Amino acid sequence: EIVLTQSPGTLSLSPGERATLSCRASQSVSSSYLAWYQQKPGQTPRLLIYGASSRATGIPDRFSGSGSGTDFTLTISRLEPEDFAVYYCQQYGSSPMTFGQGAKVEIK
Amino acid sequence: QVQLVQSGAEVKKPGASVKVSCKASGYTFTGHYMHWVRQAPGEGLEWMGWITPNSGGTNYAQKFQGRVTMTRDTSISTAYMELSRLGSDDTAVYYCARGGDGYSAWGQGTLVTVSS
Repeated sequence: EIVLTQSPGTLSLSPGERATLSCRASQSVSSSYLAWYQQKPGQTPRLLIYGASSRATGIPDRFSGSGSGTDFTLTISRLEPEDFAVYYCQQYGSSPMTFGQGAKVEIK
Repeated sequence: QVQLVQSGAEVKKPGASVKVSCKASGYTFTGHYMHWVRQAPGEGLEWMGWITPNSGGTNYAQKFQGRVTMTRDTSISTAYMELSRLGSDDTAVYYCARGGDGYSAWGQGTLVTVSS
């Protein structure tokens, strides 16, 4: 099983700042089958990034994903008020499909 | 547009079983795997398994092997997830999610509460 470890656990930032979230895998993620999701309280997760770096439909270009192998990053270039949420990475290249433990981006 | 509509909230006693449905619309049901993910209160996302609606083939997370059964009815574009021998730690929101490049569509979630 591929274990995904997200860091930091909580990121305290102000609107307009840049957010950088890390997702490290215990072994190489097949074909960069790595996704990022955003979840707000009481809502379902929303797909932001798939294939490590492709933005899902309708996702603003301030969200970007990068990385390969075992190290992946989600960057939010300039935080908008609606971006404060919990973010999860997920690998879907090998079974079981695993999620990171989540990282919270909170308002400073 | 793609939609996944799940059945309503359930309250079950320990040891019972629950069956959650997920009705798909807006796409070819047999063209995408259906995954199930759960989220306990205040916790993260946990993958449970998938079913391929075309053949009915399944792949379950080891943690749920022997307790979970995923089925589908292609005539009504609906997937089902049944979890047996429920315990209090099964209290969670259960989601269906369409497979592909990440999960671009999710059901609204079904809260299953296990309580005596």
